[in-house]
Amino acid sequence: LAKTTQPISMDSYEGQEVNITCSHNNIATNDYITWYQQFPSQGPRFIIQGYKTKVTNEVASLFIPADRKSSTLSLPRVSLSDTAVYYCLVGSLLNAGGTSYGKLTFGQGTILTVHP
Amino acid sequence: EAQVTQNPRYLITVTGKKLTVTCSQNMNHEYMSWYRQDPGLGLRQIYYSMNVEVTDKGDVPEGYKVSRKEKRNFPLILESPSPNQTSLYFCASSPGTGKKTEAFFGQGTRLTVV
Repeated sequence: LAKTTQPISMDSYEGQEVNITCSHNNIATNDYITWYQQFPSQGPRFIIQGYKTKVTNEVASLFIPADRKSSTLSLPRVSLSDTAVYYCLVGSLLNAGGTSYGKLTFGQGTILTVHP
Repeated sequence: EAQVTQNPRYLITVTGKKLTVTCSQNMNHEYMSWYRQDPGLGLRQIYYSMNVEVTDKGDVPEGYKVSRKEKRNFPLILESPSPNQTSLYFCASSPGTGKKTEAFFGQGTRLTVV
């Protein structure tokens, strides 16, 4: 399983762009990179997922270099409501030839605090 | 509305009294999983299921059982709860198509064992 390393915490201000980087040096060929957001006492919420290069959706962008050993979640123009814990998850749910890959391990997450 | 529903949301029980936390999803997802979350330890996977009648251990399976008799339900069973199982529990489901790991989480069950 690919182990992930993220900064424990980050601070930002409203309106700024925030970039959170995750390191995953032993990522496997089949692994996807997925980011989740979690508010206190709520379940994690899917933000974005990618395999390589750049992925963008309505809330974030995900940048993945060619070697895939790291990834960066980019949140444009954050607001106070973006204060949360952000988790990087590397893994796969591939079920091939009787071998399943459903064991997913979350990292410790990054506590993002957005200030007025 | 597409959702993962856990019950109960809150539960206080005594050591040794068997309990079941239910989890149900209405998205026809193949993959379901249980996590526990403790301060300073993040989310740790207890058990997961790739499909009906297929379950496997996660990182912290000791003291827990699961079953997957139907696609939509994935109950978590604590045969003899102990205080170290006091935690916030989350159930999640995923389409399981291909390799992607986009998952939908329930609202959580806060369990206290005294």
